[in-house]
Formats: sequence, structure tokens, C-alpha cells
Amino acid sequence: GAVVSQHPSWVICKSGTSVKIECRSLDFQATTMFWYRQFPKQSLMLMATSNEGSKATYEQGVEKDKFLINHASLTLSTLTVTSAHPEDSSFYICSARLAGVKNIQYFGAGTRLSVL
Amino acid sequence: AQTVTQSQPEMSVQEAETVTLSCTYDTSESDYYLFWYKQPPSRQMILVIRQEAYKQQNATENRFSVNFQKAAKSFSLKISDSQLGDAAMYFCAYRLETSGSRLTFGEGTQLTVNP
Repeated sequence: GAVVSQHPSWVICKSGTSVKIECRSLDFQATTMFWYRQFPKQSLMLMATSNEGSKATYEQGVEKDKFLINHASLTLSTLTVTSAHPEDSSFYICSARLAGVKNIQYFGAGTRLSVL
Repeated sequence: AQTVTQSQPEMSVQEAETVTLSCTYDTSESDYYLFWYKQPPSRQMILVIRQEAYKQQNATENRFSVNFQKAAKSFSLKISDSQLGDAAMYFCAYRLETSGSRLTFGEGTQLTVNP
């Protein structure tokens, strides 16, 4: 099946620093990728939709200057949490859309971000 | 707005038994897809089963099957012959055909499988 790699799996950073998370589709091209945030024991909240070669579409309430998304190629999207603060600590998950008849999203394994 | 509701925060089942997880959704659209995803302790989201709204036949994948009631906007997941590896958080999700693949998730049901 389709594989989505997300890196790093866990990152700890100091308050005020920026952190970049990568999401790669390993065996297919993904024109569309998605970024989710998940708090403990809660559901996935869509943050933004990332389209290759164009600006990301952010969900209401998500700060685009805080969460920078770049989708420069058909296999890579990045999420940069800028000037991270403890309240940004969360689990971030990406997914990539495998286009076609089934049009299914495949998910990365997630990144746990801890901001000290 | 489209919503997905899972009314059972937690469920448990004995190994080898059958369990049904509930999901209801609200939409005024007629063309959409429904999914069940599994999130084990590793937190990797895994697609369990999908259902196209235009298909009347319920989807099945080995031990997993759904009961899709379009008029009632209900989409329950039945797990037969439950195994220890089935223990996970299960999320019901909905996608409009016109939404550009945007998924809306329910709150999740934590399934425990007892040996």
C-alpha cells in the first residue's frame, strides 16, 4: 500500500525556536497533503490543506504565520511551527492523498512536539 | 456544516467475540464517502474500511464490515472474531465528493479487547 513518511517522530524544543516537520509520500505522488493536530484522547483537527505549487489553505482559527506550510514537490510537504510556545505542544499528523478512483488519504506516523 | 458523531467514547469486547461501533453523521449532500480509521497506541492512522454513499451494498474487509443506513445517516462498524491487535481508537470519518478530499472526523471510540 501507499506509504507516507513523517519526520521527526518526536521533537523537543525551547520556547521561541522554530521547528520543521517533514511529510513525504514514498511511493506515490501527492498533489494534495493535509496537516492535522491531535490533542491527547481527542480527534484529529484539520489545520490546513497543502497543494503542490500553491499556497496552503488554512482552516478557520489556524494562524498561517505561525504554522508555515510549504509543498514544493509532489512528494514533500513541510510544516514549520514558528516561534514555538508551550501551548503549541501537541501531536501533529500529516496525510497525503492518493488520487484516482479511490481517492484515499494515507497518514504519516505523526510527530510529537514538546515545547519547553 | 457536516458533523460526525460517535456516541461511544469507550467500548470493550472479549477476544473472539463481536463488537459494533456506532457512528452517525449529518449532511445535506448526497454524494459522499464514509471511512473507519484505526489508531493503535503507535498513533499511526490506518484505514480499516470505506463506503461510497451511492452504493447500497455494505462494505466488508475480512473481519470488518459496516452497516450503512443512508436514510438514517448511520454508519456502524462491526468487528467479528475480535483479536487483541484490534485494540485501538477508532475514528469514523466523512468526506464530501466536492470537498477536495477533506475529511471530517468523529470524536473516536476507544476499543479494549479483553483476553
